Amino acid sequence: QSVLTQPPSVSAAPGQKVTISCSGSSSNIGNNYVSWYQQLPGTAPKLLIYDNNKRPSGIPDRFSGSKSGTSATLGITGLQTGDEADYYCGTWDRSLSAYVFGTGTKVTVL
Amino acid sequence: EVQLVESGGGLVEPGRSLRLSCTASGFTFGDYAMSWFRQAPGKGLEWVGYIRSKAYGGTPEYAASVVARFTISRDDSKTIAYLQLNSLKIEDTAVYYCSRRSGASVGDSFDIWGQGTMVTVSS
Repeated sequence: QSVLTQPPSVSAAPGQKVTISCSGSSSNIGNNYVSWYQQLPGTAPKLLIYDNNKRPSGIPDRFSGSKSGTSATLGITGLQTGDEADYYCGTWDRSLSAYVFGTGTKVTVL
Repeated sequence: EVQLVESGGGLVEPGRSLRLSCTASGFTFGDYAMSWFRQAPGKGLEWVGYIRSKAYGGTPEYAASVVARFTISRDDSKTIAYLQLNSLKIEDTAVYYCSRRSGASVGDSFDIWGQGTMVTVSS
């Protein structure tokens, strides 16, 4: 089972905003940088956010990341139908000596 | 174009072995650590392990669930990363992805992913 906890699902209408939480501990989020990945149905994951709040080239500023203590949050504004996907947080866990992912959150655009 | 392409997946019986390959193109492969992940059908992402670049020793690290059964290696001259899967179990059934550790990140993040290759362990 994952050491990072995310809500199973979130939903909102087109154009609205959603936030996805990722809760961990001092052995992972509390002392390491967090990344976020988007996985569209049937495809490989895609890096959305790295180092807590940085966006790779080509990722629109509708996607944002933040971290506070042992939790991190992904925000998506101006929701589009193309944003329907599974989203995962990830970080290194120093106790497990492993890269760990969150449980994943399915975003649905109503 | 920066690209990773996995190959070598398939159907294999429990206890048998399989070797996956991850062929890189479009970037200086030897400068990057490479990682393997997997995703069982209908499940979330799981880190399998990674191998450092030669500049950092070229050594691998593994998840507890696969250590002593799986081996990661690399051939920088061929720009290929390998994942050797031994003593396969039914629970190893998954799509296996290779990925490049981001060179722009201070922390661990993975910016380029392959399309994945399916490994099915069944008798």
